[in-house]
Amino acid sequence: QKEVEQNSGPLSVPEGAIASLNCTYSDRGSQSFFWYRQYSGKSPELIMFIYSNGDKEDGRFTAQLNKASQYVSLLIRDSQPSDSATYLCAGMDTGRRALTFGSGTRLQVQP
Amino acid sequence: NAGVTQTPKFQVLKTGQSMTLQCAQDMNHNSMYWYRQDPGMGLRLIYYSASEGTTDKGEVPNGYNVSRLNKREFSLRLESAAPSQTSVYFCASSEQSWIVEAFFGQGTRLTVV
Repeated sequence: QKEVEQNSGPLSVPEGAIASLNCTYSDRGSQSFFWYRQYSGKSPELIMFIYSNGDKEDGRFTAQLNKASQYVSLLIRDSQPSDSATYLCAGMDTGRRALTFGSGTRLQVQP
Repeated sequence: NAGVTQTPKFQVLKTGQSMTLQCAQDMNHNSMYWYRQDPGMGLRLIYYSASEGTTDKGEVPNGYNVSRLNKREFSLRLESAAPSQTSVYFCASSEQSWIVEAFFGQGTRLTVV
């Protein structure tokens, strides 16, 4: 069973702080990883993906990948109340060429 | 340009009834997927279609069937609904590549009583 694990939270941070969301995966063959944001009652929307070791930055978001440790993270700088949502980590199942999702981490940004 | 469109948005079924969830995408994507989302369980893959004319089982296929009608449309059928199939169902599509960047529909909230 290929798994993606996330802490369910909630992770609570004050407005303006850095939120750090973490994810581990079991499939060593996975090459690409995705972060989705899901507001309550809505569908997941893609924030960013990463496939190389190291950091990838997009605006206030930075994704980090460490393949040796099988660890993916998402940093959100200058967190805003509008960032309050569930963040889903997903890895590509190389056998099925489909995404395997973690259960998500709920982020709460306090004004 | 609507992206991925699912119908219906809400549905209540009685145990044993059948229904088909419809999904269509207008992005000319090759791959399409059906996921279900339950509280605390994340998204689980039911079936997927890597390209027109092919379908494959995902993680939780029991009790479901699918049809890839053409490149745009991918339907999910429940032949005999059970309360365990109460869930939110999401259809997604991606341009088939080594990076599966999936775009999701708005979801169907299904309750089986």
